[in-house]
Amino acid sequence: EVQLVESGGGLVQPGGSLRLSCAASGFTFSSYEMNWVRQAPGKGLEWVSYISSSGSTIYYADSVKGRFTISRDNAKNSLYLQMNSLRAEDTAVYYCARGTAAVLLYYYYYYMDVWGKGTTVTVSS
Amino acid sequence: DIQMTQSPSSLSASVGDRVTITCRASQSISSYLNWYQQKPGKAPKLLIYAASSLQSGVPSRFSGSGSGTDFTLTISSLQPEDFATYYCQQSYSTLRPTFGGGTKVEIK
Repeated sequence: EVQLVESGGGLVQPGGSLRLSCAASGFTFSSYEMNWVRQAPGKGLEWVSYISSSGSTIYYADSVKGRFTISRDNAKNSLYLQMNSLRAEDTAVYYCARGTAAVLLYYYYYYMDVWGKGTTVTVSS
Repeated sequence: DIQMTQSPSSLSASVGDRVTITCRASQSISSYLNWYQQKPGKAPKLLIYAASSLQSGVPSRFSGSGSGTDFTLTISSLQPEDFATYYCQQSYSTLRPTFGGGTKVEIK
């Protein structure tokens, strides 16, 4: 079964740090791009970060750039998100999501087809 | 960043109704548009990719259409399990994928 399982969430004070993990199983992790997406309480979805299959290409949302670091260990089938200088507005459920591309009429269409159940991060004093 | 605007933000419908949700992009995104369904306390689930391609395992009552800036998700006959929040997402900008604000489909 294709599965993503996040862990590492919890309560942290403003300015603190947290490291999220995402364990992948049921597919060849090293062949897929990965993303982190978050959802603040009662709000919509916000893309946070992207990493290519090899880890050589990384993107961040402006809201987390310079504070969060995405990484992966293909030997351990794991994705990570190191979160530093946390703020109250970082409070959210954090999902890891697999990125997949379909080729239609010679064009690549990218989407997130497998999602974990999420891990909750609460930033509060 | 490309802004995605969904309408309506919520709607009430009955089982068996035809439901249409609209998503508008702030610039042309060709067909780089995905739709997701999210139920309370659950992770999002991919329904439609590339504007109109049905993800494997998704019931055929779901369909997507549109290109450029205007897109539509249609549920041809609403079922009890379809009451959820629906999000569009553009993948035209690979550096900055963005989601719409969501449309909550509630029971009338």
